Amino acid sequence: DAGVTQSPTHLIKTRGQQVTLRCSPKSGHDTVSWYQQALGQGPQFIFQYYEEEERQRGNFPDRFSGHQFPNYSSELNVNALLLGDSALYLCASRWGGGGSTDTQYFGPGTRLTVL
Amino acid sequence: QKEVEQDPGPLSVPEGAIVSLNCTYSNSAFQYFMWYRQYSRKGPELLMYTYSSGNKEDGRFTAQVDKSSKYISLFIRDSQPSDSATYLCAMRAPPSNTGKLIFGQGTTLQVKP
Repeated sequence: DAGVTQSPTHLIKTRGQQVTLRCSPKSGHDTVSWYQQALGQGPQFIFQYYEEEERQRGNFPDRFSGHQFPNYSSELNVNALLLGDSALYLCASRWGGGGSTDTQYFGPGTRLTVL
Repeated sequence: QKEVEQDPGPLSVPEGAIVSLNCTYSNSAFQYFMWYRQYSRKGPELLMYTYSSGNKEDGRFTAQVDKSSKYISLFIRDSQPSDSATYLCAMRAPPSNTGKLIFGQGTTLQVKP
């Protein structure tokens, strides 16, 4: 049973460019959340997708957008990259019908470096 | 002020020691409390999950929640070098059904053989 997978593993971009990160949730999961983890910090919630719609959003600018596909996989897009966007981007999945149980499974992350 | 405060360490202990990791929080609406372990260059892995106040034990790990003090702890007994990692506390923000987590900064633990 494959866990949460993310691609690519590493990415180097320059300021002003755009980037797309991808996530495949754990089998049986239909809800995907994205987090940004700066070096030495805890993950910060970007947004969550459920039934192909953004269900909740953290305190991130509109440059950060996402999408969820019918197979529950998800993309995170970041436009007009800034140096401060350099971080580990984590995807987490869970089953949305789980109610109070919050067993979120995290992927290994995509490390984005903006030069 | 951050919603969740966690001492980043680093914390260095000898093998076999009892480790105590702690977080404080400010939002009294938090109901669900988690501890994640993150090895270098890996994603966080769920260790313990606790609802409301009380204790929960799983092998060498014990999680405690004191909602009156807004304070949570993770104890590791008989610590091993393989426990060396960053430990993140996380809490569920309302509305609970969305699963949004608020994380602490993480505490880096090193267990020396």
